[in-house]
Amino acid sequence: DIQMTQSPSSLSASVGDRVTITCQASQDISKSLNWYQQKPGKAPDLLIYDGSNLETGVPSRFSGSGSGTDFTFTISSLQPEDIATYYCQHFDNLPYSFGQGTKLEIK
Amino acid sequence: EVQLLESGGGLVQPGGSLRLSCAASGFTFSNYAMTWVRQAPGKGLEWVSTISGSDITYYAKSVKGRFTISRDNAKNTLHLQMNNLRAEDTAIYYCAKGSRWLRVWGQGTLVTVSS
Repeated sequence: DIQMTQSPSSLSASVGDRVTITCQASQDISKSLNWYQQKPGKAPDLLIYDGSNLETGVPSRFSGSGSGTDFTFTISSLQPEDIATYYCQHFDNLPYSFGQGTKLEIK
Repeated sequence: EVQLLESGGGLVQPGGSLRLSCAASGFTFSNYAMTWVRQAPGKGLEWVSTISGSDITYYAKSVKGRFTISRDNAKNTLHLQMNNLRAEDTAIYYCAKGSRWLRVWGQGTLVTVSS
């Protein structure tokens, strides 16, 4: 099974900051990676699919990059409404495991 | 509007059984794979099971042999039969549309396994 290692586990940043989260796969998954946002008490939302494609309706301050084993998720200018936990998930082959999550807080 | 609505959660004793349902609307249910994802209290997301549009099923190792995913395309409903439940199965269970890209999620249903 493919393991996803996400870091950091938590992050505190100021409004307007650039925020970066990384996700590493235990083997080559090409671009088979999604990023989800989960706000407290809510179900997750898909933000980025296939490594770098922005889901319809998602603000352009969110972006993803990477391929193979190393991936990056970036918020270019942090907004108060971005407070959430972010998860990567691969879909190279089942089981489609998630990273451990990154809890983002406002400083 | 695409919607998913889970039901069937509750409190069950260890070793007991529970059947979750997910009612789908707003899309052609039979054309899509469907997935269950769970989240233990205060923990991260865990993929549980997926069923393809042609009824091929997949399970996480942690639930294989105890959980059964199924679908009723006539009623646009997804099910998760959970047997021999353990304390570590306590979680919010979400159903989601799709397999690789989970674009639509339900609100979740809480399953608590405790004596």
